[in-house]
Amino acid sequence: GNSVTQMEGPVTLSEEAFLTINCTYTATGYPSLFWYVQYPGEGLQLLLKATKADDKGSNKGFEATYRKETTSFHLEKGSVQVSDSAVYFCALSVSGSARQLTFGSGTQLTVLP
Amino acid sequence: DTEVTQTPKHLVMGMTNKKSLKCEQHMGHRAMYWYKQKAKKPPELMFVYSYEKLSINESVPSRFSPECPNSSLLNLHLHALQPEDSALYLCASSLEVGTSGGHTQYFGPGTRLTVL
Repeated sequence: GNSVTQMEGPVTLSEEAFLTINCTYTATGYPSLFWYVQYPGEGLQLLLKATKADDKGSNKGFEATYRKETTSFHLEKGSVQVSDSAVYFCALSVSGSARQLTFGSGTQLTVLP
Repeated sequence: DTEVTQTPKHLVMGMTNKKSLKCEQHMGHRAMYWYKQKAKKPPELMFVYSYEKLSINESVPSRFSPECPNSSLLNLHLHALQPEDSALYLCASSLEVGTSGGHTQYFGPGTRLTVL
């Protein structure tokens, strides 16, 4: 079956620190990979995605590279801000799967000023 | 525009009430989804509609009744809920279901439901 394993949280960083949130996956088939972000009291927002190996998704200073050889899609940001405090979900979807998204457990990020 | 709207934003209901949640998108998407999310957990899939037909029901209790009146609208009718049904209910849409490329799902802001 399909599964996503995310770095356990919570993660607390100081403003301007470097962020890495690890995500690895197992999938039957060739998945597309996603990072969603959920700010307090809100729904999920698509942060970035990658649909094939070696693709790099990027948005708002966040980046993640689809690594087929290590089955990973780690999220990185060079300098976090207080406004980045949120829960981050890694997810995958596989072609032909009506259920579409398989989520990781989520990582709570808190950035302190 | 990748907007999915949901109403109401908050809902408080008693166990004997009947209420409905509404979701709308105007992106031409033909797949729509209902998810339930408990605090500090990932969303759990409840229902999937493809071309206005129910294609997935993840063994959801019958007190939740989905409806897709047209390609832009998705409703979730609620009746005789239990306190443990209190959660954030998220709607999402994507271009299609089950096609190549794993079409991206776009989520609404959710309805925060409290059952007393």
